[in-house]
Amino acid sequence: DAKTTQPNSMESNEEEPVHLPCNHSTISGTDYIHWYRQLPSQGPEYVIHGLTSNVNNRMASLAIAEDRKSSTLILHRATLRDAAVYYCILRARFSSNTGKLIFGQGTTLQVKP
Amino acid sequence: DTAVSQTPKYLVTQMGNDKSIKCEQNLGHDTMYWYKQDSKKFLKIMFSYNNKELIINETVPNRFSPKSPDKAHLNLHINSLELGDSAVYFCASHPGGPNTEAFFGQGTRLTVV
Repeated sequence: DAKTTQPNSMESNEEEPVHLPCNHSTISGTDYIHWYRQLPSQGPEYVIHGLTSNVNNRMASLAIAEDRKSSTLILHRATLRDAAVYYCILRARFSSNTGKLIFGQGTTLQVKP
Repeated sequence: DTAVSQTPKYLVTQMGNDKSIKCEQNLGHDTMYWYKQDSKKFLKIMFSYNNKELIINETVPNRFSPKSPDKAHLNLHINSLELGDSAVYFCASHPGGPNTEAFFGQGTRLTVV
């Protein structure tokens, strides 16, 4: 599975946008880019995913670089509840791994009031 | 209704004991997983089951034995507990394919004393 690189930590102010970067320079053409987050004392939860085009949902937006070697998770207005560890994960389209998620160290997001 | 539920939420036990953690999903998914999150917060996959069959065993000691009585349940039995087994264990389920999301339980915090 291709590897991702994320900053260890980021800070944001409440109600401001947050851009969480992820590098995946060895991504293959059929890898999906997934984002999950883990709030304190909870299990990971799905945020968003995409393949080539930018994606929006009620939680966030995902901007994917044209060469797909990097992506950015955008939280449009950070709230205190968004403080969590954010994981960028690649999932192979054709793989025998039955869709297992391989977690890296993620980015710990702090949101200041 | 909770999509993926684990019991118990907390488990404190002595070294050498045998214990079980139960997991149930009501999403109709074929694939279920166990993940371990250690004190350094790394999330590592342990097992994957697809429709009651073991698909992935990530070199977990054979003291850990998953059991899937049906595709909605994946239990984890641990024999001869050791101090190093102390961690948070997460169950997850997934419908299959890289274009879908996984759902995680709230975790079971196991403390071996």
